[in-house]
Amino acid sequence: DTGVSQDPRHKITKRGQNVTFRCDPISEHNRLYWYRQTLGQGPEFLTYFQNEAQLEKSRLLSDRFSAERPKGSFSTLEIQRTEQGDSAMYLCASSLEASQRPYEQYFGPGTRLTVT
Amino acid sequence: GQNIDQPTEMTATEGAIVQINCTYQTSGFNGLFWYQQHAGEAPTFLSYNVLDGLEEKGRFSSFLSRSKGYSYLLLKELQMKDSASYLCASMDSNYQLIWGAGTKLIIKP
Repeated sequence: DTGVSQDPRHKITKRGQNVTFRCDPISEHNRLYWYRQTLGQGPEFLTYFQNEAQLEKSRLLSDRFSAERPKGSFSTLEIQRTEQGDSAMYLCASSLEASQRPYEQYFGPGTRLTVT
Repeated sequence: GQNIDQPTEMTATEGAIVQINCTYQTSGFNGLFWYQQHAGEAPTFLSYNVLDGLEEKGRFSSFLSRSKGYSYLLLKELQMKDSASYLCASMDSNYQLIWGAGTKLIIKP
């Protein structure tokens, strides 16, 4: 399967703990996006990378959130000192700038985070 | 401000036709997307419109009116597997997707 993959699929953590999620995009895709989605809502943009450069970060994203894409391939999203309000589905998507449909984003299965 | 509006929930009968409307207001416009999302799964791409008019793709069609800030997704010959949430998203001037909350479509036999 050459789609977007995310790990882990589910994470349960206690409030105050740090968590890290991983996303592996489609191999030739140069853009990578992170979103957060809560029940009954659409995805909320968090940040995006073009190759290894983080080009935009949502103003809604607190300093507890950080993302990296060190070699322009996989990406990690870390949440420090988790809070119950961080409980959500974290979605990763990728796209290829040079394709016929450069803005079509392909989503991974998501990581469901539950903070207790 | 940026805003996407779509109905929260719709119900339709198997074999029928349903139209899901979306109005958008974003800073700049680089296209309107529709995604399908089954419960507990990731969104999957359905359609992209950047010019006015109707785009048809099998049982699904999508329409855009840029002057009215309006789009709809038309689903024909509804099947039970079409039960899902349908997300409307507008791409703004920074090429970021602004998402609606989704329309939950319930198909009844």
